[in-house]
Amino acid sequence: DIQMTQSPSSLSASVGDRVTITCRASQSISSYLNWYQQKPGKAPKLLIYAASSLQSGVPSRFSGSGSGTDFTLTISSLQPEDFATYYCQQSYSTRRGTFGQGTKLEIK
Amino acid sequence: EVQLVESGGVVVQPGGSLRLSCAASGFTFDDYAMHWVRQAPGKGLEWVSLISWDGGSTYYADSVKGRFTISRDNSKNSLYLQMNSLRAEDTALYYCAKDKRVATITYYFDYWGQGTLVTVSS
Repeated sequence: DIQMTQSPSSLSASVGDRVTITCRASQSISSYLNWYQQKPGKAPKLLIYAASSLQSGVPSRFSGSGSGTDFTLTISSLQPEDFATYYCQQSYSTRRGTFGQGTKLEIK
Repeated sequence: EVQLVESGGVVVQPGGSLRLSCAASGFTFDDYAMHWVRQAPGKGLEWVSLISWDGGSTYYADSVKGRFTISRDNSKNSLYLQMNSLRAEDTALYYCAKDKRVATITYYFDYWGQGTLVTVSS
């Protein structure tokens, strides 16, 4: 099975900062990598799919990049509403949809 | 507006059974694959199961294979998860989620319900 590892597990940042979260797959997954945002008590929200495609309605300060085994989610200028937990997820295996362990983004 | 509303979560004893439901509206239900994803209290997300738009294909996480069964009734715009032989480690908030593309399994979950809580405890 494909394992997904995110780093860091937690991160403190300030409003206006540029933030990058990394996700690594245990084997090549081409560009089959998605990113979700989850706020406390809420369902996850799709931000980026296929490594770099922005989901409709998601602000353009969010971007994704990478292919193969290494991927990044970048928030260009943190806004107060961006403090949340972020998950990567591989969709390479059509029989599994494995998530990373999550990265909690907190206010510094 | 797309809506997914889960129900059926309760407290159940280990070894017990439960059926979760997800009522869908706001889109052509039988055009899309559907998934169940769970989240144990304070933990991360775990994909559980998938069913294709026509019900012809189903897949399961290893952790639930042989115990859980996913199904759908396209005439009722409803998704189900039959859960048998429940264990303490199945305790979680269970979400149903819609796949993004028509008649394709992508694992891009573009809409989620609010979740229903299953607690397995004696």
